[in-house]
Amino acid sequence: GQQVMQIPQYQHVQEGEDFTTYCNSSTTLSNIQWYKQRPGGHPVFLIQLVKSGEVKKQKRLTFQFGEAKKNSSLHITATQTTDVGTYFCAGVGSGNTGKLIFGQGTTLQVKP
Amino acid sequence: DTGVSQDPRHKITKRGQNVTFRCDPISEHNRLYWYRQTLGQGPEFLTYFQNEAQLEKSRLLSDRFSAERPKGSFSTLEIQRTEQGDSAMYLCASSFGLARDEQFFGPGTRLTVL
Repeated sequence: GQQVMQIPQYQHVQEGEDFTTYCNSSTTLSNIQWYKQRPGGHPVFLIQLVKSGEVKKQKRLTFQFGEAKKNSSLHITATQTTDVGTYFCAGVGSGNTGKLIFGQGTTLQVKP
Repeated sequence: DTGVSQDPRHKITKRGQNVTFRCDPISEHNRLYWYRQTLGQGPEFLTYFQNEAQLEKSRLLSDRFSAERPKGSFSTLEIQRTEQGDSAMYLCASSFGLARDEQFFGPGTRLTVL
């Protein structure tokens, strides 16, 4: 079945440093979504990427979708303590259900 | 608050007991999903409803699990004869009508089976 792998599992950075998490799918994705889950919270939608090679920015966050639509990345510039949490990529499953196939997530810790 | 709500937020039960969780999606959302999340993992898809119709069930959903969405609004997830391996966070999410629409997650129900 479709699998989504995400690395690294954990990342500790000093406030102000950059952070990147990578996502790879075993199959070509129609689109990919990114979610953030704060400690003790639930996943919250960040963005969706649809087109091959697409790049989207949200303030300090940059999201990329690979040319082959099998990989994606999230880069945070100059991390802040408010960026702490777990970042998940999720591939939208085949068919019309819209079910999400989540990666394992990358947990970001930011030291002030 | 007009987001997705779930009840209860926490449930502790003994092995072998039945439990039922409720999810109230955002009112205008047609699609409703149930996911299960264990510590250190991403949410795993369990089942999906389009209005009142249950259109897909994961192989993870054994015959001890059943879900309903009787009037196309709220949904319930029942687990019969609970096992310790059922301990997890059960998340409900809803979205508008398209498969690619963003999903809005509820706060989850944390189940602990003793």
